[in-house]
Parts: sequence; C-alpha cells; structure tokens
Amino acid sequence: GAGVSQTPSNKVTEKGKYVELRCDPISGHTALYWYRQSLGQGPEFLIYFQGTGAADDSGLPNDRFFAVRPEGSVSTLKIQRTERGDSAVYLCASSLDGYNSPLHFGNGTRLTVT
Amino acid sequence: AQSVSQHNHHVILSEAASLELGCNYSYGGTVNLFWYVQYPGQHLQLLLKYFSGDPLVKGIKGFEAEFIKSKFSFNLRKPSVQWSDTAEYFCAVTDNYGQNFVFGPGTRLSVLP
Repeated sequence: GAGVSQTPSNKVTEKGKYVELRCDPISGHTALYWYRQSLGQGPEFLIYFQGTGAADDSGLPNDRFFAVRPEGSVSTLKIQRTERGDSAVYLCASSLDGYNSPLHFGNGTRLTVT
Repeated sequence: AQSVSQHNHHVILSEAASLELGCNYSYGGTVNLFWYVQYPGQHLQLLLKYFSGDPLVKGIKGFEAEFIKSKFSFNLRKPSVQWSDTAEYFCAVTDNYGQNFVFGPGTRLSVLP
C-alpha cells in the first residue's frame, strides 16, 4: 500500500472489555513497531517485530497487552480487560529492515476506555 | 537505557522568525538521531536524520539540525519559519543497531501569521 494503515481510527470501549487494533504496514517492510502516545507526550515504545517474531516486547506495560504478526505483514495489538488508563493513541510504524531505516507511521487508533 | 529530553514544551513565533528547538539525549554509545514532525491531523513524518559524517544535516522544508557529540545534543533549526510549520516536533534516538527508537516528549510550535 501507499502507507501504513491502522484500523479502526477511533475505538470507544467500556472498562473491562477486550479490544483489537490492526496495523497494515507498507508492503515489503520487515520491521513493525507499536507505540502508545498520551496527550502531551511523545510516542512510548511498546513492541517491535522483525518478520513474524517479536524482537523486543519490553515496552508492553503488563500481561493484558499482547501483539501478533503471524505472517510477517499485518499486526494486531490486543488488549484484555481494558482500563481507563489504557486510553491513548496507539501508533503503528514500519520500516524497511529495522536497522536504522526511518520509521513510517500510520495515523493511529484513538482508544477511549469509558 | 536511552532517554531524550526536549527543553521547550510550547514555542510561539511570528512568521519569518528564526527557530531553534533543543534536544538532548542520554546514551553512552554510538547513536543515530532523528527529528519527526506531526502536522495537525496528520501522522508523524521524518524531517531529517543523522547517522554519521557531517554533523550538520539538512532535511526537508528548510530544516537543519546539528549533532554536537560533546553536548549530547541534536538541536533543530530553521532560519525563517512559516505559518505552515505549525506542528509538533519530536526528537528521537536509536542505538547503533537502530532497532529501538526512543522519542522525546515533543515541542509544540505555533507560528503566528
């Protein structure tokens, strides 16, 4: 595709529910990143994939957060038992090979937990 | 662990004024440095990057940044800003492997027409 695509663009859910956020990276990009951005702050690293495997998941805040990339392309970020503190914009980015290649960001998914 | 600080939370300038946004990082090893920009309603975009070589790098739209290793800084500059430069600017750093991008908190720039 032309750029990184994230769906949905907005998601409102109730506390305690399960949500899935989808990211479709630029075709041919092997590296995929998830970040979280709260109001007035910079993107906070969550997890990085190189191909199908999670090369670094040290940024996931707790075990309610999980991400997959089963075929090395589309990735899904999954959040169980959502809490109000999970409300943020979740950003996905891809890069050509993950080694100093610049990140290309999607527009993000704005998650609101009520 | 790497960290990035940006001195200014919000900068307000008039058109044609000169701009300098501060960025400092903490990391003892070799780093690669980036500035990203987020225009209102748009996604983050790369403005410029430094890997090695000439410490003065030029990016898009007349922006430049200077890497000063002794000061752990990578300040962004533009001689004459335009109203269309109104955006949020983020400094980012990776280690030499280039896999883990750490972002600063961002500086919001407002340019008054």
